[in-house]
Amino acid sequence: EAEVAQSPRYKITEKSQAVAFWCDPISGHATLYWYRQILGQGPELLVQFQDESVVDDSQLPKDRFSAERLKGVDSTLKIQPAELGDSAMYLCASSLVSPETRNEQFFGPGTRLTVL
Amino acid sequence: SQKIEQNSEALNIQEGKTATLTCNYTNYSPAYLQWYRQDPGRGPVFLLLIRENEKEKRKERLKVTFDTTLKQSLFHITASQPADSATYLCALDVGGNMLTFGGGTRLMVKP
Repeated sequence: EAEVAQSPRYKITEKSQAVAFWCDPISGHATLYWYRQILGQGPELLVQFQDESVVDDSQLPKDRFSAERLKGVDSTLKIQPAELGDSAMYLCASSLVSPETRNEQFFGPGTRLTVL
Repeated sequence: SQKIEQNSEALNIQEGKTATLTCNYTNYSPAYLQWYRQDPGRGPVFLLLIRENEKEKRKERLKVTFDTTLKQSLFHITASQPADSATYLCALDVGGNMLTFGGGTRLMVKP
């Protein structure tokens, strides 16, 4: 069964360092999402792509976060510089939006970031 | 302001009983609502979708109701099993193919 791939699974970094996360969505899924999930809370949308275009990045802290999906397939989320408050799980999801599926999202395993 | 509320306290039930989880929302008018299951350290997994014109949806031991007047969805697991122990998230359609998630409710089913 097709899955969303993410790497790395775990990342420990010191504050002020740069980190990058990678996501490979399910083949054929044009819509890709990055979420941040703090322990004990629900996922919070950071950015949504439709193919290679950003549809919504209103919740992305643009002074330190950036995201790209250059060829409309895999995507990278970067944080520079990392801050202590960035410690969280970063989840990638993809979907094949249609009248039938109505945006059922498929999530990857996530990247657990710890900033020391 | 817009809010999605799920019971933040864990729900503990005995195996074989029916678990009922609640999702309340304010200042949203979602065309549909979804429920996801999340196990510790893993990404959420889609379970069920219910549209605004549907009152009830079933899938095996799962049942979801959607009351747009009360602005509430109920998620039921009948004949619960210890393997059903997880966090359950409701998610509302907010347009533009985006979902907004509630904080989730942790369910613990004891043998």
